[in-house]
Amino acid sequence: AQSVTQLGSHVSVSEGALVLLRCNYSSSVPPYLFWYVQYPNQGLQLLLKYTSAATLVKGINGFEAEFKKSETSFHLTKPSAHMSDAAEYFCAVSASYGGATNKLIFGTGTLLAVQP
Amino acid sequence: DTGVSQDPRHKITKRGQNVTFRCDPISEHNRLYWYRQTLGQGPEFLTYFQNEAQLEKSRLLSDRFSAERPKGSFSTLEIQRTEQGDSAMYLCASSLGEGNTIYFGEGSWLTVV
Repeated sequence: AQSVTQLGSHVSVSEGALVLLRCNYSSSVPPYLFWYVQYPNQGLQLLLKYTSAATLVKGINGFEAEFKKSETSFHLTKPSAHMSDAAEYFCAVSASYGGATNKLIFGTGTLLAVQP
Repeated sequence: DTGVSQDPRHKITKRGQNVTFRCDPISEHNRLYWYRQTLGQGPEFLTYFQNEAQLEKSRLLSDRFSAERPKGSFSTLEIQRTEQGDSAMYLCASSLGEGNTIYFGEGSWLTVV
């Protein structure tokens, strides 16, 4: 069974400040991990993904995430927040092998607010 | 636009009516997924197809829900005898096989009144 837990349903940062969105996963097999972003009334857009290559993954819009197996974490960071980063962010996990369906299991999301 | 396309984007229906949503995946993507997302929650997996075969269904998919992908291209999700609890956004996604990026459409909002 797989699951993700996103700590903090709401995060508020000032423009230019560090963004840190937390995600912890649980998986009985080596996981693939993803961060998606959702703007109001829109679908999900992939920010970045970890698929067992480099543990530090760089994505779009200046975001990156680090896979830490010992901590079962995959936190999302961005050095300097921009107003346009205000959105909801979802962490997701899928199985990486073993005939798994490759379906995504999502966390409950973190709503990021960026203050001017 | 070559992304995942969903129609209609918004649907308001009376309780007890049937509704159908359509999804056109990215061309040549053989996997197609349906998810449901309610306010304040992450998307929940409903079902997925590989080509025309429906390979997995979540227990969330009650008997009132049926999904098809008759020719391995577009898919439909039908909800019969809608209930207020069915109000949600229904997301379609597609990918080119296992292990590849899953791309989402913009969703179809359903409001049952």
